[in-house]
Amino acid sequence: QVQLKESGPVLVQASETLSLTCTVSGFSLTNYGVIWVRQPPGKGLEWMGIIWRNGNTDYNSALKSRLSINRDTSKSQVFLKMNSLQTDDTAIYYCTRVRINYGSYYFDYWGQGVMVTVSS
Amino acid sequence: DIVLTQSPALAVSLGQRATISCRASQSVSTSSYNLMHWYQQKPGEQPKLLIYDASNLASGIPVRFSGSGSGTDFTLTINPVQADDIATYYCQQSRELPPTFGSGTKLEIK
Repeated sequence: QVQLKESGPVLVQASETLSLTCTVSGFSLTNYGVIWVRQPPGKGLEWMGIIWRNGNTDYNSALKSRLSINRDTSKSQVFLKMNSLQTDDTAIYYCTRVRINYGSYYFDYWGQGVMVTVSS
Repeated sequence: DIVLTQSPALAVSLGQRATISCRASQSVSTSSYNLMHWYQQKPGEQPKLLIYDASNLASGIPVRFSGSGSGTDFTLTINPVQADDIATYYCQQSRELPPTFGSGTKLEIK
């Protein structure tokens, strides 16, 4: 069945770089895109960036200068790297599958998320 | 960016109808599709897709959930509301990048 699982450090120092991995199963990254979404404690959902099934990427303009997303299709993994972390980057980080349906796309399967705390 | 506006909270009685609204700052519909989707997030859990393209029920979602709307105004309806429906509900548009989310509506029981 379709599964996504985020992994990475739960505590990062301010000004350092966050590296997260999303390992997927039950589908191929060449057929589906993956999006990263984060959620600060008690707050709403924020789109971070997307890697489409063709490998192209799009980023949230507010994070673009600090963020990169890439993938290893042979390992079914998507990677997020974000530098210059600040305390307001503390959040749950989710990866989610992008389902493209003709002229539409939406997020049909979500990982359980990883809580990342940025310490000053 | 397209801004999606939701009311922060809604209180309903068990067994009654809940209507959650989402208003977009510009149209999220094309000639063929209404590009608005709904997600449910229970406390401590990841979001789950409920409705896609405004009115299509995602796989495994009970039929008491339904969606409607076009252009800038969309509605998620839960009828009848059950205790298990306590959650925050988010709308999300895919008409334009970035794919923005609403701020969420927390469903509470009276």
